[in-house]
Parts: sequence; C-alpha cells; structure tokens
Amino acid sequence: AQSVTQLDSHVSVSEGTPVLLRCNYSSSYSPSLFWYVQHPNKGLQLLLKYTSAATLVKGINGFEAEFKKSETSFHLTKPSAHMSDAAEYFCVVSLNTGFQKLVFGTGTRLLVSP
Amino acid sequence: GAGVSQSPSNKVTEKGKDVELRCDPISGHTALYWYRQSLGQGLEFLIYFQGNSAPDKSGLPSDRFSAERTGGSVSTLTIQRTQQEDSAVYLCASSLAGRGSYNSPLHFGNGTRLTVT
Repeated sequence: AQSVTQLDSHVSVSEGTPVLLRCNYSSSYSPSLFWYVQHPNKGLQLLLKYTSAATLVKGINGFEAEFKKSETSFHLTKPSAHMSDAAEYFCVVSLNTGFQKLVFGTGTRLLVSP
Repeated sequence: GAGVSQSPSNKVTEKGKDVELRCDPISGHTALYWYRQSLGQGLEFLIYFQGNSAPDKSGLPSDRFSAERTGGSVSTLTIQRTQQEDSAVYLCASSLAGRGSYNSPLHFGNGTRLTVT
C-alpha cells in the first residue's frame, strides 16, 4: 500500500536559516508526490509536485524537493526561511486508483522565529 | 478567479443533530473531493465525484455520512445524527483532472470547521 511518513511533527528554525522537512514514501511503483502547505485559517495550497520528469522539483516561494528513489525520500527544503513560511506542511502521495486519490502525511508544523 | 468556496466556515451543533456542509467548486472543474482533517492528524479521504459517474464513497466512515453533487457542480456533504468524534475540519477540493490523471493539482477550499457538543 502506498503511504507517506513525515518524520517530524514540528520543526523550528530561525529566520534566514535553511529549512528541511522530511518525508519518506512507500510505493510499489513510481509514485506521484506532492507537498502542500496550509497557513492558519487558509485552504491547502500546492507547493510543488513530482511526476517523474525531473528528480529535483522547484516550487513556489523558493521551496524545492528532491525525489530520491534509493532512499524513498522526498524531503522539502528552502535555503533561507522567512517569517511568512510558518505553516503546516503536508507530504502527499497520489494513488493510481482510477482517479487522483491523495494520501496525506500527518503534517509538519514549521515554526520560524525572528 | 474565484476559488473553491465552502459554507459555512464554522458550524457548532448538538450531538444527534443533522448537518449539511456545502461546496462550490471552481467553474469547469469536473472532479470534486471531500476530505476530513481531524486535530493533529493528516487529511482523510471521504468521497470523490467525477462528472456524471457514480461517486467513489470508499472513504465515508459510516452510513451517517452521505454526499451528493447536483448538476455536476455544487456538492453537499450531510452528516446525520452527529457524534462528538465527527468534530473536524471538512475540506472540499476540485480539479480539472478526470480518471487516469494522477498528477493534476487539487484546489482546496478553506474548509468548514464542525464542532459537535
């Protein structure tokens, strides 16, 4: 069965320092993977997606993620955190069930301090 | 343009009452999804509509939950005889993608926060 595991429930960084949010996936075939962000009282927004075209995926707001098949990982990174990056981040895998059935990780809350 | 709209944004109800949650998808989006987000947990798939096809109801947690989509547009999620464990944020999403498209992004609404007292 396909699933994703987000290893950290909370990550705290200082503004201007790098961000690393970890995600490992389980899939019997090449998956479609996504990162979504949820700001307080806002809807979920797509950050980036991996669909096998390129292993390094660039998203919005300076985020990027690298698909590593050997490590079954899809970690989200950003070189320099901004206060506005504070939010909940979800790693997501899409099941090939005939439609895009998304399986969400439990989320990582990113805290950014001045 | 307008995004996915959900109403109400907040709903407080007494245990045992029925509630209806509404979703207006983005115009032209053929796929519509309902998800549930409980405190401290990830999103849980509930139901999927695609055009005029029969919906995929495999995620509905009990027969107290039902949903319909009229005219291929607006959708209503109904919870009968609400229980305290139904308290959660109910999220609706729509997409241009149809069957066989596995990587088109979903556009989410801001959700309805349901509290059952």
